[in-house]
Amino acid sequence: QVTLRESGPALVKPTQTLTLTCTFSGFSLSTSGMCVSWIRQPPGKALEWLALIDWDDDKYYSTSLKTRLTISKDTSKNQVVLTMTNMDPVDTATYYCARKETYYDAFDIWGQGTMVTVSS
Amino acid sequence: SYELTQPPSVSVSPGQTARITCSGDALPKQYAYWYQQKPGQAPVLVIYKDSERPSGIPERFSGSSSGTTVTLTISGVQAEDEADYYCQSADSSGIVVFGGGTKLTVL
Repeated sequence: QVTLRESGPALVKPTQTLTLTCTFSGFSLSTSGMCVSWIRQPPGKALEWLALIDWDDDKYYSTSLKTRLTISKDTSKNQVVLTMTNMDPVDTATYYCARKETYYDAFDIWGQGTMVTVSS
Repeated sequence: SYELTQPPSVSVSPGQTARITCSGDALPKQYAYWYQQKPGQAPVLVIYKDSERPSGIPERFSGSSSGTTVTLTISGVQAEDEADYYCQSADSSGIVVFGGGTKLTVL
């Protein structure tokens, strides 16, 4: 059974750096074609893709946010970490991690999401 | 930057057919994917590669593509289908994009 679970602070202050961890099971990020992505959703708004890392350690970032984002993986721990610098109240959102693999070529399994509020 | 455009809302009566469109310049060359999201829940993949249905998704969900527009069709809509629906694709460099979402209301 494939599962993903997001973890991180529920509250961060403006200008701080957010660090989120996606811990997964049921697959390996060293398997060819496997990817993990981060996607966020502000309250009442649409999904917004943030970043993706693949089995070969290639990384892709949202054009509008790439200067603030870093994605990395620890294959031995089955974890993917996202850092976002210079947090602002507009970054308040539920942050999801999701798996993408070659069969569906889509985000077929999602975590339950973690809500992050940016406020002083 | 690449964008996908969806109607904000679609309304249908139970048993009718709902069609949700998604438009984007790269759609003739890139696959589209559809996700269903119910309140308080994570999205669920309902269509992949334009028209394929994952296992466990009811047959009333189907997808099609024509030019720069892809369409999610729900035949015989049920009350449980009321949700937000998002299309997703990518540009040629691998940058992922989601549409703005469509709220499906079952009257």
